[in-house]
Amino acid sequence: RKEVEQDPGPFNVPEGATVAFNCTYSNSASQSFFWYRQDCRKEPKLLMSVYSSGNEDGRFTAQLNRASQYISLLIRDSKLSDSATYLCVVEHYNQGGKLIFGQGTELSVKP
Amino acid sequence: DTGVSQNPRHKITKRGQNVTFRCDPISEHNRLYWYRQTLGQGPEFLTYFQNEAQLEKSRLLSDRFSAERPKGSFSTLEIQRTEQGDSAMYLCASSPVRTALSTGELFFGEGSRLTVL
Repeated sequence: RKEVEQDPGPFNVPEGATVAFNCTYSNSASQSFFWYRQDCRKEPKLLMSVYSSGNEDGRFTAQLNRASQYISLLIRDSKLSDSATYLCVVEHYNQGGKLIFGQGTELSVKP
Repeated sequence: DTGVSQNPRHKITKRGQNVTFRCDPISEHNRLYWYRQTLGQGPEFLTYFQNEAQLEKSRLLSDRFSAERPKGSFSTLEIQRTEQGDSAMYLCASSPVRTALSTGELFFGEGSRLTVL
């Protein structure tokens, strides 16, 4: 079993749709959580950190459930420019801050 | 440009040859990471350094892979006796030392794409 698992993609949605990505992690020692975005043939870039209380950044909302070891990302009012692969990432403090990436979920927003 | 720089960007080699990739991190970053990524997969952790010390190497990594960061600045990743299964994008990333105040963000280079024929 992979340490970080994400919904298989791709997700094909129309502009304006709301889409949710799910992620689970297996290591309960995981301390920090992130969503990264990766455009086609580009390097991953941080989209947002995920906090225990949940956090929002514009149209993006991230949630964390430590008890269930579950992370989510909600995108509201999808734009064409949101088309990318979304990577769920966990960090282990007790392993010195190594970041483990999920396999990614591809999103395609259509006109 | 003061971002993470990787060279070469593309490398095509024959099976059995050795290849070396170089990564120049953001200058004030203490940590340097190597990841490997294949099509349709997320980045797979290979190894990372804090300054010149190699803190961890993935157990999935064979002995043909070695990385160094001799002066705590740039790093090299060498693959000996390459195999077709080594074909992938090799990503380097850097970050400041993790503190309670830092975001934990990794800054990636554009990657070095290896094709083994």
